[in-house]
Amino acid sequence: AQSVTQPDIHITVSEGASLELRCNYSYGATPYLFWYVQSPGQGLQLLLKYFSGDTLVQGIKGFEAEFKRSQSSFNLRKPSVHWSDAAEYFCAVGVNSGGSNYKLTFGKGTLLTVNP
Amino acid sequence: EAQVTQNPRYLITVTGKKLTVTCSQNMNHEYMSWYRQDPGLGLRQIYYSMNVEVTDKGDVPEGYKVSRKEKRNFPLILESPSPNQTSLYFCASRRTHTQYFGPGTRLTVL
Repeated sequence: AQSVTQPDIHITVSEGASLELRCNYSYGATPYLFWYVQSPGQGLQLLLKYFSGDTLVQGIKGFEAEFKRSQSSFNLRKPSVHWSDAAEYFCAVGVNSGGSNYKLTFGKGTLLTVNP
Repeated sequence: EAQVTQNPRYLITVTGKKLTVTCSQNMNHEYMSWYRQDPGLGLRQIYYSMNVEVTDKGDVPEGYKVSRKEKRNFPLILESPSPNQTSLYFCASRRTHTQYFGPGTRLTVL
């Protein structure tokens, strides 16, 4: 079965610093990969996705992610963090699972704190 | 505006009192699903629906029911809620391989 690992439960960065959130997945084929962000008290907002093609994908809010097949990774990056980026970030793998179902398997999330 | 809506957003109830959380989407998506989010466990799929009148179990279906009588609506039913169903619930609808989530319903069962 597919799985997603986000090794960092909590990361703290200073405003203006660069950011990289790690995500590793386990799946037999090339999966559909996603990053979602959840601000406090809010729902899940899609930041970016990778299906195929260029392995560096751009998303909203200045985020980007790079798919590395050899490392089974899909790390999220931002060159300069803003205080409003403080939130919880979830990596997810979309796979066809059991007959006609397609579902997302989520990592457990990385909580980002931004210091002024 | 394209969106998934859920109601209520917050609900406190007592053990055994039947409740329904509604979910509606205006994107004409065929696929809809329900997830629950718990600390340390991430999001887990409860039920999904491929189309009207077609529903099936996800990873954690025990204690839940769903129905899909119309394409836009996918209510989640807890016929006899228990404290272990206290959680944050998300409804989602899907176009191709991308899921769009509702704002969430925070449920507390006392």
